[in-house]
Amino acid sequence: AQSVTQLDSQVPVFEEAPVELRCNYSSSVSVYLFWYVQYPNQGLQLLLKYLSGSTLVKGINGFEAEFNKSQTSFHLRKPSVHISDTAEYFCAVSPRGGGGSNYKLTFGKGTLLTVNP
Amino acid sequence: GAGVSQTPSNKVTEKGKYVELRCDPISGHTALYWYRQSLGQGPEFLIYFQGTGAADDSGLPNDRFFAVRPEGSVSTLKIQRTERGDSAVYLCASSLTRQGNNEQFFGPGTRLTVL
Repeated sequence: AQSVTQLDSQVPVFEEAPVELRCNYSSSVSVYLFWYVQYPNQGLQLLLKYLSGSTLVKGINGFEAEFNKSQTSFHLRKPSVHISDTAEYFCAVSPRGGGGSNYKLTFGKGTLLTVNP
Repeated sequence: GAGVSQTPSNKVTEKGKYVELRCDPISGHTALYWYRQSLGQGPEFLIYFQGTGAADDSGLPNDRFFAVRPEGSVSTLKIQRTERGDSAVYLCASSLTRQGNNEQFFGPGTRLTVL
């Protein structure tokens, strides 16, 4: 089984400031890692994913995340945020591999990012 | 192209009533998923369809919940004898295949309120 912990439920920042949203996971097997964003009254949208290869992953809207296997972390970063980045961000994992329940996403509780002018 | 659509967007019902929630996946996506997002929580897996069959229903909370996908496209989540604790946003997602490295595309959700 997998579990995901998002350490901050809310992160307020000023526009153009850098931001880091933290995510730690626990799993007995190797995992794929994802960050999703949810704007008000909209569905979840994939920001980026780590499948294999380089541990630094770049996504849409200027976001990036780094996979750290030893610390079981996958923190999301953006060097300069905009008002439009205000949304809820979810970290998720699914088991790696061709068999089993590798389709099943396990989500964290989310982090509400609020960008203030 | 069209994304995943869900109807209704909002549903208010009374305790004990029956409700149906509909999901239209992206055309050509064979895999379909239902998740439930309670207030202040992340989405939780309910059920996964590959084609017409429910390949994994391990996340359904009890036998009041049932889902179908008779023609391998549209899916309906059915909840009998609704309870106040069923109030949540029900999210549907679809992907090209079931493989974990395939992106799951989410619909906007149906907000269910049980009074």
